[in-house]
Amino acid sequence: DTGVSQDPRHKITKRGQNVTFRCDPISEHNRLYWYRQTLGQGPEFLTYFQNEAQLEKSRLLSDRFSAERPKGSFSTLEIQRTEQGDSAMYLCASSPIGQKGYEQYFGPGTRLTVT
Amino acid sequence: AQSVTQLDSQVPVFEEAPVELRCNYSSSVSVYLFWYVQYPNQGLQLLLKYLSGSTLVKGINGFEAEFNKSQTSFHLRKPSVHISDTAEYFCAVSLNTGFQKLVFGTGTRLLVSP
Repeated sequence: DTGVSQDPRHKITKRGQNVTFRCDPISEHNRLYWYRQTLGQGPEFLTYFQNEAQLEKSRLLSDRFSAERPKGSFSTLEIQRTEQGDSAMYLCASSPIGQKGYEQYFGPGTRLTVT
Repeated sequence: AQSVTQLDSQVPVFEEAPVELRCNYSSSVSVYLFWYVQYPNQGLQLLLKYLSGSTLVKGINGFEAEFNKSQTSFHLRKPSVHISDTAEYFCAVSLNTGFQKLVFGTGTRLLVSP
């Protein structure tokens, strides 16, 4: 069990560019979550997958954001036409279905800086 | 909807002193309660959780928390802190049914000095 991994760890991009982040959950974890954490704030929920199905999206997830989880394994989060307000830490978490489903395991995050 | 309030943005304390980090929540339905710790440039690590049963829960690294339903609180305590406890601490709630997204407070930075 290698834990949740995220790639890249840091990303600097210019306003207007597109970026894509990857999350590899703990193997056999059916649930996958994306959160966004801005400076001085707690993480905020963005979206949730159960296997490959995206079942919940926050209103924070504007049309410029899209997330996928093909085949129910890794997930990607894409931000199109980045804005300076998108600068944040993007966290991924996974959890199993069942009795331990409440316990989310977080990755190290991807820190995005939009210049 | 659920919400979490952590009134103390920063708590300075000397090494080996006791500490309490406060957390209050709001919810019209039953929730699970969590404390997570975040070290610099790292993700979040679960310290402890309250699901049901005994209101006093023990977690890792010597931390414990007490669930108080009447005061809607879930304060985190440690009887004697170490320098290595310096980190950001987040209180969170989730529904106890369906998919369980976490709703976090704004965090409390614990600063332990020698």
